[in-house]
Amino acid sequence: GENVEQHPSTLSVQEGDSAVIKCTYSDSASNYFPWYKQELGKGPQLIIDIRSNVGEKKDQRIAVTLNKTAKHFSLHITETQPEDSAVYFCAASISGNQFYFGTGTSLTVIP
Amino acid sequence: GAVVSQHPSRVICKSGTSVKIECRSLDFQATTMFWYRQFPKQSLMLMATSNEGSKATYEQGVEKDKFLINHASLTLSTLTVTSAHPEDSSFYICSASVGGLGEKLFFGSGTQLSVL
Repeated sequence: GENVEQHPSTLSVQEGDSAVIKCTYSDSASNYFPWYKQELGKGPQLIIDIRSNVGEKKDQRIAVTLNKTAKHFSLHITETQPEDSAVYFCAASISGNQFYFGTGTSLTVIP
Repeated sequence: GAVVSQHPSRVICKSGTSVKIECRSLDFQATTMFWYRQFPKQSLMLMATSNEGSKATYEQGVEKDKFLINHASLTLSTLTVTSAHPEDSSFYICSASVGGLGEKLFFGSGTQLSVL
């Protein structure tokens, strides 16, 4: 089955700096890659996603890149703010039939 | 994005009692719903997948008689933890996928279960 690895497990950045979280996947059939933000005591919230026919997608301060050949995708957050502090999960899916999650990255933005 | 409502957000119960958690898709019909369990500072552990009108598919190691899942309609799925014990204490999260939205997965707000 699919195996998703996520790094780093924890990340601290100064406010205003950029944060990058990386994930790799094993199954070349995976074609949908969402990213979720989870705040303490809440359910994960979809923040951005990308499909295998696209190499990059951007939404304001958040961007995701995908390298199908290398089977890795990354989340980029620019101009980080304290409210970006949360746990971020990547996931890989084959057409939404099953979702495989990374182990999460705890991001702390230091004011 | 689509809205998934989960209730209750927090429940405390005595050992041996049963607890029901509801998960509703408010503005879309969910063809598939997933139930996850999450321990502190850990990732999401898939418990079962349910499709409307059919029996849920449980992941290996998840007791189907203990964690009863009912997906009676396209907008409602329930998880009942039967004869709860302290080791069942955890954060339970439901999610729903919508084919019409491109197989996106949306999560409920989670339920923190504490069994005394």
